[in-house]
Amino acid sequence: DSGVTQTPKHLITATGQRVTLRCSPRSGDLSVYWYQQSLDQGLQFLIQYYNGEERAKGNILERFSAQQFPDLHSELNLSSLELGDSALYFCASSVVRGGYTFGSGTRLTVV
Amino acid sequence: DQQVKQNSPSLSVQEGRISILNCDYTNSMFDYFLWYKKYPAEGPTFLISISSIKDKNEDGRFTVFLNKSAKHLSLHIVPSQPGDSAVYFCAASSNTGNQFYFGTGTSLTVIP
Repeated sequence: DSGVTQTPKHLITATGQRVTLRCSPRSGDLSVYWYQQSLDQGLQFLIQYYNGEERAKGNILERFSAQQFPDLHSELNLSSLELGDSALYFCASSVVRGGYTFGSGTRLTVV
Repeated sequence: DQQVKQNSPSLSVQEGRISILNCDYTNSMFDYFLWYKKYPAEGPTFLISISSIKDKNEDGRFTVFLNKSAKHLSLHIVPSQPGDSAVYFCAASSNTGNQFYFGTGTSLTVIP
């Protein structure tokens, strides 16, 4: 157990729908990072939050949004889903620059 | 634009031999590099890191080498064990950024 909790583990939904992925960072970590891993792709950075505020944005589509709540958990909202959004979505947290601690991911399948 | 590249999608090695996983990067501002290991149905786990002020970092059976002039790093695993079979990602960052850039991963299979 890495200490980073992601729910749900699996999600199957139809095109056009909206889903919310949830992440609780490791205790004491203020930063949350969201990454997407598509087939044959590396981990693509989506967005970072630090203590409730957006800190950095990567290749995140306008249909996607995220937030971090006062208790530091974060949610990634994906809307108007397309088949190409099917991927593994990872959340990571860290205290220092030394590296991330990843959750076990949410596998999203859009049918 | 993939700033970190792992050109070998897969690698098979006999148990006890050396595994060498390679990674290339394009951004000369990158100054911190990490390797992650990922088992199926799990998130990536941190394995080893290296700062650009060094050219080698060793941790047990794992050694990372950095060649800044070639913008190349490699991970050596000696001796390889079946439990090392996993996908290995390299990642890089600069001190001006808040994110790590990941390669596409190399799937290592260690054959008993």
